[in-house]
Amino acid sequence: AQTVTQSQPEMSVQEAETVTLSCTYDTSESDYYLFWYKQPPSRQMILVIRQEAYKQQNATENRFSVNFQKAAKSFSLKISDSQLGDAAMYFCAYRSTYLTGTASKLTFGTGTRLQVTL
Amino acid sequence: GAGVSQSPRYKVTKRGQDVTLRCDPISSHATLYWYQQALGQGPEFLTYFNYEAQPDKSGLPSDRFSAERPEGSISTLTIQRTEQRDSAMYRCASSPRLATNNEQFFGPGTRLTVL
Repeated sequence: AQTVTQSQPEMSVQEAETVTLSCTYDTSESDYYLFWYKQPPSRQMILVIRQEAYKQQNATENRFSVNFQKAAKSFSLKISDSQLGDAAMYFCAYRSTYLTGTASKLTFGTGTRLQVTL
Repeated sequence: GAGVSQSPRYKVTKRGQDVTLRCDPISSHATLYWYQQALGQGPEFLTYFNYEAQPDKSGLPSDRFSAERPEGSISTLTIQRTEQRDSAMYRCASSPRLATNNEQFFGPGTRLTVL
């Protein structure tokens, strides 16, 4: 079974600065998807960024980018020019490319709470 | 609809009572997922539907939990004889079809409190 580990329960960043959230995962599969979700105080789950394991290029979405290290099974999220609205819980998630059984489910880490200070 | 909706948003019940939670997915989405999110944890998979079929129930924590999607659209999650450990946020997500490159769109969740 796949597992996702987020070892930073809380992080803090000053507005306009850059912060990196860590995520490691364990899998025996060679192809899969990785995601970062944001959960603001409203408790919605919002997809921030997605990475496909077979793609070597790191995904980027505006101020959000990832550092995907497949051999190390590491998938960190970098937030540049942090804004007050970035304050939220961030979850890393894994999804298999196989469709059998529960393969299409998302497996989440325990989350990192990001505080943004002035 | 414009997004995934869930009702009720909040539910408080007494231990031993049955509760039913509802999920209304994005119109025409074939696949629907249920997750349970305990306080301070990430969501954990419960079960999913592809249209009205329920290929996997292995995430349901006990036989007190059941889910239905009889017409392939709206789904309900029922918890019988609720226990305090069932207190959690229950999230529903839908996806256009059963393909792992499809995004799962999450609803706002139902926060269940069992007293």
